[in-house]
Amino acid sequence: TQLLEQSPQFLSIQEGENLTVYCNSSSVFSSLQWYRQEPGEGPVLLVTVVTGGEVKKLKRLTFQFGDARKDSSLHITAAQPGDTGLYLCAGAGSGGGADGLTFGKGTHLIIQP
Amino acid sequence: EADIYQTPRYLVIGTGKKITLECSQTMGHDKMYWYQQDPGMELHLIHYSYGVNSTEKGDLSSESTVSRIRTEHFPLTLESARPSHTSQYLCASSEFEGAVSLYFGPGTRLTVL
Repeated sequence: TQLLEQSPQFLSIQEGENLTVYCNSSSVFSSLQWYRQEPGEGPVLLVTVVTGGEVKKLKRLTFQFGDARKDSSLHITAAQPGDTGLYLCAGAGSGGGADGLTFGKGTHLIIQP
Repeated sequence: EADIYQTPRYLVIGTGKKITLECSQTMGHDKMYWYQQDPGMELHLIHYSYGVNSTEKGDLSSESTVSRIRTEHFPLTLESARPSHTSQYLCASSEFEGAVSLYFGPGTRLTVL
């Protein structure tokens, strides 16, 4: 069974600070995705990383896929209250995820004004 | 705009009732999924479908059933609801181009008394 460990579980910081959250596994994934979920809504896809060592930037968000494709990180620069939410990482197995993704438990992020 | 819909958004029912959670998508995606989400826990895959007339069980043992008669429709049925079925149910769809990207509906919050 593939497991994804996310850390920290909870993070509360002030607006303008930088932060990094992590997603780790002992298993290799063919791709890894990050989602953000707000209360009462379904998760929304932020990014998909496919190649080991890949770095993708989405405005103030930087995503990195580990060289061995077992881990990933999400870095937010100058966090804003609108970044508040539950951040989920999800990994796809060798089949590309057609048979479903493995999710972590998520990081609850609160950005205080 | 293409979207994925779930109804009802909230449901409170008594033990033993039969219920169907509806999920429809307008994106023409072949692959659809049902996930269960509980606070502080990973999303767990309960059912998925590769396309019309295809249904598969996921990782989480479930007493629910699904059907896929039309591409856009993927309902989930509980024949006899129990308090242990109380949870958030998320429907998702995906197109597959090397890596799965999930589009989630807003979810159905089910409470069984």
